[in-house]
Amino acid sequence: QKEVEQDPGPLSVPEGAIVSLNCTYSNSAFQYFMWYRQYSRKGPELLMYTYSSGNKEDGRFTAQVDKSSKYISLFIRDSQPSDSATYLCAMSARGNNRLAFGKGNQVVVIP
Amino acid sequence: DVKVTQSSRYLVKRTGEKVFLECVQDMDHENMFWYRQDPGLGLRLIYFSYDVKMKEKGDIPEGYSVSREKKERFSLILESASTNQTSMYLCASSLGQENIQYFGAGTRLSVL
Repeated sequence: QKEVEQDPGPLSVPEGAIVSLNCTYSNSAFQYFMWYRQYSRKGPELLMYTYSSGNKEDGRFTAQVDKSSKYISLFIRDSQPSDSATYLCAMSARGNNRLAFGKGNQVVVIP
Repeated sequence: DVKVTQSSRYLVKRTGEKVFLECVQDMDHENMFWYRQDPGLGLRLIYFSYDVKMKEKGDIPEGYSVSREKKERFSLILESASTNQTSMYLCASSLGQENIQYFGAGTRLSVL
């Protein structure tokens, strides 16, 4: 079983729709959860960071962590064509230098 | 803002050449990482370093070596480039137990 599972998509949505992305994981030691956005031919940029369980909101973006189910989600409200990118989830355990990444989920927002 | 700078955006090299990829970060981060990213395979860790002159192998170190002589600089070396090393190479740095990693723009390497 892979440490982090993420459906690669692609996911196509009309402009203005809500985008829902998720990752599941197997390592119960993970405490730090991140979402990165990667535009084509660019490096990943940090989008959201969450510690342990709960929700975090930043503008149109909401990250959720459910540690009991080992499941994290990213929601994008009022999606825009500029949100078209690949979204990667990542997570780590306390004191561990390595991040475990999902393979990324390609999102296309159609104007 | 954290800035991680990779020396080249695009490189074209010949099989058998020695290739140096350079990465510099300006945030005094302890940890630095080299990944490669290939379609369908995601990000794979090649090497990382948690201090000057310290290094640890990642998941795919074969065919690569690294050097960290200064805290801000981490170099990836392909001793004898091969076509299967054609890829997107990404450098990252992080600080602290959360290990939030910040990435450079990437180097797209083609080995012909």
